[in-house]
Amino acid sequence: GENVEQHPSTLSVQEGDSAVIKCTYSDSASNYFPWYKQELGKRPQLIIDIRSNVGEKKDQRIAVTLNKTAKHFSLHITETQPEDSAVYFCAASKGGSYIPTFGRGTSLIVHP
Amino acid sequence: DAGVIQSPRHEVTEMGQEVTLRCKPISGHDYLFWYRQTMMRGLELLIYFNNNVPIDDSGMPEDRFSAKMPNASFSTLKIQPSEPRDSAVYFCASSPDTDAGSGYTFGSGTRLTVV
Repeated sequence: GENVEQHPSTLSVQEGDSAVIKCTYSDSASNYFPWYKQELGKRPQLIIDIRSNVGEKKDQRIAVTLNKTAKHFSLHITETQPEDSAVYFCAASKGGSYIPTFGRGTSLIVHP
Repeated sequence: DAGVIQSPRHEVTEMGQEVTLRCKPISGHDYLFWYRQTMMRGLELLIYFNNNVPIDDSGMPEDRFSAKMPNASFSTLKIQPSEPRDSAVYFCASSPDTDAGSGYTFGSGTRLTVV
């Protein structure tokens, strides 16, 4: 089955800096890659996603890039703010129905 | 819609006791998933159902864990007997039949503590 590796497990940045979280996947048939944000004590929520026919997608301060050849994708957050502090999960899914395989999560801490 | 509803929000039980976690998915969603979240293992998929039928239970850790979905609006995850290492947050999620994550919704989770 699919295996998703996520790094780093913890990321600490200063407010205003950029943050990058990276994931690799094993199944070349995977074609949909969402990212979730989980604030402390809350449920994970979808923040951005990308399909395999697109190399990059941007939504305000967040962007996701995908390299199908290398089977890795990354989340980029620019101009980080304290409210960006959360656990971020990447996931991968393939064709048909959405059955995600999640990475283990990255705890992002943004220091004011 | 009120979203995915889980109960209880918190559960504290003694080792050896039976624990039942409950989930009401969003109406019309065809898929229901149960996850366990811990610091060590992250978000683990335990089992998922499609149209009330269990499809993949390979993530269920042991025979002590069982899950049922008797109808489209209700599912349970049971642990019997419970052990301290079962302490975690258990999430239920539901999704329509789609290939994207836009409708995929998590419940608020049940924080289980086994003492």
